[in-house]
Amino acid sequence: EAGVTQSPTHLIKTRGQQATLRCSPISGHTSVYWYQQALGLGLQFLLWYDEGEERNRGNFPPRFSGRQFPNYSSELNVNALELEDSALYLCASSLVGMGETQYFGPGTRLLVL
Amino acid sequence: AQRVTQPEKLLSVFKGAPVELKCNYSYSGSPELFWYVQYSRQRLQLLLRHISRESIKGFTADLNKGETSFHLKKPFAQEEDSAMYYCALGGAGNNRKLIWGLGTSLAVNP
Repeated sequence: EAGVTQSPTHLIKTRGQQATLRCSPISGHTSVYWYQQALGLGLQFLLWYDEGEERNRGNFPPRFSGRQFPNYSSELNVNALELEDSALYLCASSLVGMGETQYFGPGTRLLVL
Repeated sequence: AQRVTQPEKLLSVFKGAPVELKCNYSYSGSPELFWYVQYSRQRLQLLLRHISRESIKGFTADLNKGETSFHLKKPFAQEEDSAMYYCALGGAGNNRKLIWGLGTSLAVNP
């Protein structure tokens, strides 16, 4: 069974640009979660999508947004990039009803210069 | 407020020694607690969930609601246990997300 995949693996942007990160969940999983792992801050919850809808978001500004497509894959968009957005962005998927066992992708490392 | 605390950033033990990684949480409802592990150059993966009450790779964790703790234990550490360990707290309903501790890096020395 293929695991959660994320693309790209690395992304380099400059301040003010926009970044788009992509995630494909495990087949059959309907929920996708996004987390930010910045140096020294640990994993912070960003967004949760289920069945195409945004269900919950963490304490991040509106320039962090995303969507979930009919095939349950997801996109995270970060507008007006700031230096402190440099981090590892992790995507996880789960099947609602199985508790919170989330399966993680390898992450996208975003560097903002 | 929901919070997970892992007081040790780094824990170093010798092979064969017992190991305990501490996790304390703050949550007003019935918590769902998890331990995730990240081995070198691998992705985060679930180690165990309190709801399953299982032992994985010799590790166990018991939820103590009185002490609001979910410590991870193994009686005899192995070198291959060296990894980053994260304790996570899950919500329910529309609060379905994971809140993470900062992690403990376990080094098992030969």
